[in-house]
Amino acid sequence: LAKTTQPISMDSYEGQEVNITCSHNNIATNDYITWYQQFPSQGPRFIIQGYKTKVTNEVASLFIPADRKSSTLSLPRVSLSDTAVYYCLVGDRSDSSASKIIFGSGTRLSIRP
Amino acid sequence: DTEVTQTPKHLVMGMTNKKSLKCEQHMGHRAMYWYKQKAKKPPELMFVYSYEKLSINESVPSRFSPECPNSSLLNLHLHALQPEDSALYLCASSQETRYSPLHFGNGTRLTVT
Repeated sequence: LAKTTQPISMDSYEGQEVNITCSHNNIATNDYITWYQQFPSQGPRFIIQGYKTKVTNEVASLFIPADRKSSTLSLPRVSLSDTAVYYCLVGDRSDSSASKIIFGSGTRLSIRP
Repeated sequence: DTEVTQTPKHLVMGMTNKKSLKCEQHMGHRAMYWYKQKAKKPPELMFVYSYEKLSINESVPSRFSPECPNSSLLNLHLHALQPEDSALYLCASSQETRYSPLHFGNGTRLTVT
């Protein structure tokens, strides 16, 4: 399982675009990159997942460079409700006997008015 | 609302009590997980069930005993816990396929007195 490194915390303001970068230097060929969001006293919620280049959905974009050693979660025009912890996970669950989904330390994002 | 339901939401138990946490999902997922989360820390994997069989036990003390009675239910039986076991216990499920994201419940907040 590839280890991930993220900033411990970030601050931004409403209406800004926020980019959270995750470093995963030891990513393996079969690994996907997945991001989760967690609010206090709730379970993590899947945001987005990708393998390479760019993935976009209704809430975020995920940018993955060609070497795949890092990835950037982009949240467009954040609001106060985007204040949460964001986790970057890297792994492969092709071996069903080792479905270990291990969370890294996460990034605590605070949005101010 | 989440598609994974955990009960109870809150539980206070003494160190000599026996209690159970329950988790239910009706998404047809065949992989189910228990995580433990302490305040301001990432979720920590405890157990993984795949097709109702225990596939991963992350060296969890025997005072935690998981059970998967059927494909929709997951229990965590608790006995002789310690105050340091107080935490948010999260259940998750996923399809048993590569790269399938986890769907989390909102957890049971456990306090051991």
